[in-house]
Amino acid sequence: DVKVTQSSRYLVKRTGEKVFLECVQDMDHENMFWYRQDPGLGLRLIYFSYDVKMKEKGDIPEGYSVSREKKERFSLILESASTNQTSMYLCASRGFQETQYFGPGTRLLVL
Amino acid sequence: QQQVKQSPQSLIVQKGGISIINCAYENTAFDYFPWYQQFPGKGPALLIAIRPDVSEKKEGRFTISFNKSAKQFSLHIMDSQPGDSATYFCAANSGSARQLTFGSGTQLTVLP
Repeated sequence: DVKVTQSSRYLVKRTGEKVFLECVQDMDHENMFWYRQDPGLGLRLIYFSYDVKMKEKGDIPEGYSVSREKKERFSLILESASTNQTSMYLCASRGFQETQYFGPGTRLLVL
Repeated sequence: QQQVKQSPQSLIVQKGGISIINCAYENTAFDYFPWYQQFPGKGPALLIAIRPDVSEKKEGRFTISFNKSAKQFSLHIMDSQPGDSATYFCAANSGSARQLTFGSGTQLTVLP
C-alpha cells in the first residue's frame, strides 16, 4: 500500500513564525502536491512538484514556498505565518496512474 | 478559472436510502473525474472515477453518472449505510502534471 506521511498531525504557531510542514511518500512517485482544506472551499492546490527540485504554483501559492530536494520528500514552508493560514494542510503523491494518495493532514493553528 | 461546483454542501439520508451528490464543471479539457471519500481525521481516498467516454460506472453500491453535454457528473450511493457517513469530494483532472481541481465537498450523514 502507498503510504504518505506528514510530520505533524497538529501544530500551533505564532504569527510571524517560520513553519515547516514535511511530507514523505514511500512509493517512488514523481508527483507530489500540497493542498489546504477549509470548510466550504474544498481542497485548494498550493504547490506541486513533478520531479526533484522542480515546483509549480497551484491556485493559492501566496505566502507559501516549497522544497523538494529528494524524490520522496516534499516540504511546505510558511515564511511568516499569519492567522489566515490557519487551516488543514494535506499532502498527496501520484505516480503514473491518475490516483492521488493523501496523507492524514496537518491541522495548523496560527495565533 | 477552472472550477468544479459541488452540491449539496450537506446531506442527511436514512439508512437504506439513496444519496446523490452532484458536480458541474466548465472546462471541456477535463478528462478524468474522480470522487474522493474522507473520514474524520483522515486524508481523502479515491472512491471511484470515470472518464468521459462512458456515461456510467458502477462499483458495488457506488455509481458515477456522467453527462458530457451538460458538463455534469454525480455520485449515487445506493442502500446508504451509517459507515458511509463522510465528506465526499468530486474532482476533475487537468494540466500536463495532471493536477486535480476539487469541488467544495459534501458532508454526508447516514442515520441508523
